[in-house]
Amino acid sequence: DGGITQSPKYLFRKEGQNVTLSCEQNLNHDAMYWYRQDPGQGLRLIYYSQIVNDFQKGDIAEGYSVSREKKESFPLTVTSAQKNPTAFYLCASSRGAAGELFFGEGSRLTVL
Amino acid sequence: GENVEQHPSTLSVQEGDSAVIKCTYSDSASNYFPWYKQELGKRPQLIIDIRSNVGEKKDQRIAVTLNKTAKHFSLHITETQPEDSAVYFCAVLLSGGYNKLIFGAGTRLAVHP
Repeated sequence: DGGITQSPKYLFRKEGQNVTLSCEQNLNHDAMYWYRQDPGQGLRLIYYSQIVNDFQKGDIAEGYSVSREKKESFPLTVTSAQKNPTAFYLCASSRGAAGELFFGEGSRLTVL
Repeated sequence: GENVEQHPSTLSVQEGDSAVIKCTYSDSASNYFPWYKQELGKRPQLIIDIRSNVGEKKDQRIAVTLNKTAKHFSLHITETQPEDSAVYFCAVLLSGGYNKLIFGAGTRLAVHP
């Protein structure tokens, strides 16, 4: 069954800790994305990758880092430098740039 | 950077009425405009999209219109049903080789029986 999988679904973190969110897809898509969703602010782009070993900053990249070592995987690290990390994070993939985005179910991060 | 404004932020209609959501954008070279629907607790899903070479596209009860000159596009839902209740997001594909999709802030649509 093809799709995009995010884990964990819920995550709690203490201030000052880094945390990595996993995103895996078996759709053979080249492009992958990370969005942050906050109430009333829609989906804001954190990082995106059009191809393996390449990625670009989105609009709110500060305090986040990513890697794209494999086509299937695009993990997001929320570092201690991110001042307001509590949010809902959505990973997505697409075959190309101007195509349908397929989203994962999301990861809800809460900083205690 | 690219700015996508979406209005209204909330919309309440009676079942059977029509609903219209409008988005404006600033990048005149943008050429791809999708709409996503996110039901409560679920992931966003594409419901319709339009490219700049056409002015309107329909799919059953939903349609999207595009005015490239004015830089705005709208989602039209006719004969609304309670299952249309969700948050709707418009998006614009940024041009210039960046290949990134910028979303509007969303519209929460409530359809009352």
